[in-house]
Amino acid sequence: SQQGEEDPQALSIQEGENATMNCSYKTSINNLQWYRQNSGRGLVHLILIRSNEREKHSGRLRVTLDTSKKSSSLLITASRAADTASYFCATDGNDYKLSFGAGTTVTVRA
Amino acid sequence: EAGVTQSPTHLIKTRGQQATLRCSPISGHTSVYWYQQALGLGLQFLLWYDEGEERNRGNFPPRFSGRQFPNYSSELNVNALELEDSALYLCASYITGQYHEQYFGPGTRLTVT
Repeated sequence: SQQGEEDPQALSIQEGENATMNCSYKTSINNLQWYRQNSGRGLVHLILIRSNEREKHSGRLRVTLDTSKKSSSLLITASRAADTASYFCATDGNDYKLSFGAGTTVTVRA
Repeated sequence: EAGVTQSPTHLIKTRGQQATLRCSPISGHTSVYWYQQALGLGLQFLLWYDEGEERNRGNFPPRFSGRQFPNYSSELNVNALELEDSALYLCASYITGQYHEQYFGPGTRLTVT
C-alpha cells in the first residue's frame, strides 16, 4: 500500500499562477521528498525536508511539513509551461525504502 | 557525471515469456532500487539491492526477482509474464548513508501482449 496520498489528483493553472499540492501520510517518517515526473519518464528529485524541519525553499519551490498532521505541501510559484508534470511525494521511514503517493498531475496553460 | 541508465527503453513480450531489464547506477552508488509504475498510478516498490545483496522486497510474487552485480549494476527478471505486468519499470540509485535522495533512470516500458 502507498504511504503518501497527494491532493488534488489533477491541477490546471494559468502560466504565472501558483500551484499548491498536498501530501498526507500515515506513519512516522525520517524525511519527506518531492519528485517530478515528465511524460512517463524517470523521476527528478526536487526537494527533501527532514522530519525536524517545518519549511524549506528551493528556487520557486516551497515545501512545508507538519508532522503533527502528517502532511506536507508543495508550492510552485510563478508557474511556467515547463512545470507541466506529475508531482509525487515520497516518505522515508526506517526500512530504507521510499513510499510514493499516486501523484498530482499539474498542467500549466500558456 | 553520467546518470542512471536503463536498458532496453521499450520491451514487448507475450504472456508467459520472461523479461530481463537492466540498470546501471551512478558511479559510486552502491544501492539500487526497482519500482513498478502501472499506467496512471504511483510507484510501487519492488526490490532493493545494496552491496550485492537483496535487502528488501515489496509485495510482489516470487516471479519478480533480480540481482546486483559486483560493479553494482542490477538486473530485474520477470518470469511467466502476465498482462498486468505491463508498466514502466524504474530503477533508482543512491549513496548509502546519505539522506536517501534517489536518482532515477529513464525507465523501461514493458508491454505484455
